[in-house]
Amino acid sequence: QKEVEQDPGPLSVPEGAIVSLNCTYSNSAFQYFMWYRQYSRKGPELLMYTYSSGNKEDGRFTAQVDKSSKYISLFIRDSQPSDSATYLCAISGGGSNYKLTFGKGTLLTVNP
Amino acid sequence: DGGITQSPKYLFRKEGQNVTLSCEQNLNHDAMYWYRQDPGQGLRLIYYSQIVNDFQKGDIAEGYSVSREKKESFPLTVTSAQKNPTAFYLCASSISGHSSYEQYFGPGTRLTVT
Repeated sequence: QKEVEQDPGPLSVPEGAIVSLNCTYSNSAFQYFMWYRQYSRKGPELLMYTYSSGNKEDGRFTAQVDKSSKYISLFIRDSQPSDSATYLCAISGGGSNYKLTFGKGTLLTVNP
Repeated sequence: DGGITQSPKYLFRKEGQNVTLSCEQNLNHDAMYWYRQDPGQGLRLIYYSQIVNDFQKGDIAEGYSVSREKKESFPLTVTSAQKNPTAFYLCASSISGHSSYEQYFGPGTRLTVT
């Protein structure tokens, strides 16, 4: 079983739609959960991170972690064409564990 | 402006040649990382360094080598022993310790070996 599983999509939605992106993970020791956004031919940029369980909101973006089911989600409200990118989930044990384990990424296209 | 620079953006090499990819950061970060990204794959960790003159192998270190002689620089050499070197290479850096999950990435180098 892979440490992080992410549906690669692609996902195509109309402008204004609510987008749900998801990952599952296998190791219950993971503590930090991140979402990175990567535009085509660019390096990823950190969008949001969550420590342990719960929700975190930043503008149109909400990150959700359910440690009991080892499931993480990113919701995008009122999606815009500028949100079109690949979204990568990443998890880490935190502390002295420097490794990030990435999902394969989901390609999202928001159509105007 | 603070950030990470990688050069060149595109690199072409013949099979059997070693090639070195540059990564420089002015964020004063202690930790630096090299990842490889292939189509349909997530980022895979090649090497990482938490401090000058020290580095550790990641998940796919075979056929690669690194050095960390300066805090700002972490060059990656793709050797002729790497069986499938054509890929998009990403360098990243972070503050050590508690905030190491917050990694800042460079723009990447796309290497093509024929």
